[in-house]
Amino acid sequence: DTEVTQTPKHLVMGMTNKKSLKCEQHMGHRAMYWYKQKAKKPPELMFVYSYEKLSINESVPSRFSPECPNSSLLNLHLHALQPEDSALYLCASSLTGVHEQFFGPGTRLTVL
Amino acid sequence: DAKTTQPTSMDCAEGRAANLPCNHSTISGNEYVYWYRQIHSQGPQYIIHGLKNNETNEMASLIITEDRKSSTLILPHATLRDTAVYYCIVRAYSGGGADGLTFGKGTHLIIQP
Repeated sequence: DTEVTQTPKHLVMGMTNKKSLKCEQHMGHRAMYWYKQKAKKPPELMFVYSYEKLSINESVPSRFSPECPNSSLLNLHLHALQPEDSALYLCASSLTGVHEQFFGPGTRLTVL
Repeated sequence: DAKTTQPTSMDCAEGRAANLPCNHSTISGNEYVYWYRQIHSQGPQYIIHGLKNNETNEMASLIITEDRKSSTLILPHATLRDTAVYYCIVRAYSGGGADGLTFGKGTHLIIQP
């Protein structure tokens, strides 16, 4: 299994909703990442997990809450989002050290 | 991580070699050059990376100048499916840890039939 899966593919939520994005990989990677990509812009790093511990938070607002329950699974919990948070949310994984990152197809989020 | 400069867009004829340049004049000795691409509405895809020597894999070749201040990604026989945004990223060695990628604006490569 050499892929990163993300669910759901699309998500529409209101500003008062609570939802979660899920990312899964079974490649034995111990580093996992969340990126946010606005339309026509490059991806921007949000969070990095290394060995299930949060190692990098790029000053992301607290309405985004990441969680890494085990080495294969990464969640992004969403609460009280704003319309400007509408974007493609990408998950990636890699071996630690200097290794390529494998990206999932992303979840396209729309906040109404 | 060092900053990179790439042309905004490039065209290439199908079947010809596509040569994508990247300038990284402030690169440090422990920084690698990575190339990723993103086909429309998909996640980025790793292509190749290198430190000093030229590298080749089944997708592409990476040519790094001797002073390491610039590099060129070569797609030897471009097809329509190679139309994508190509990102050149310079990234330091992180030891046993994990660092995220800092994407620049990239080059939008359009393969013409």
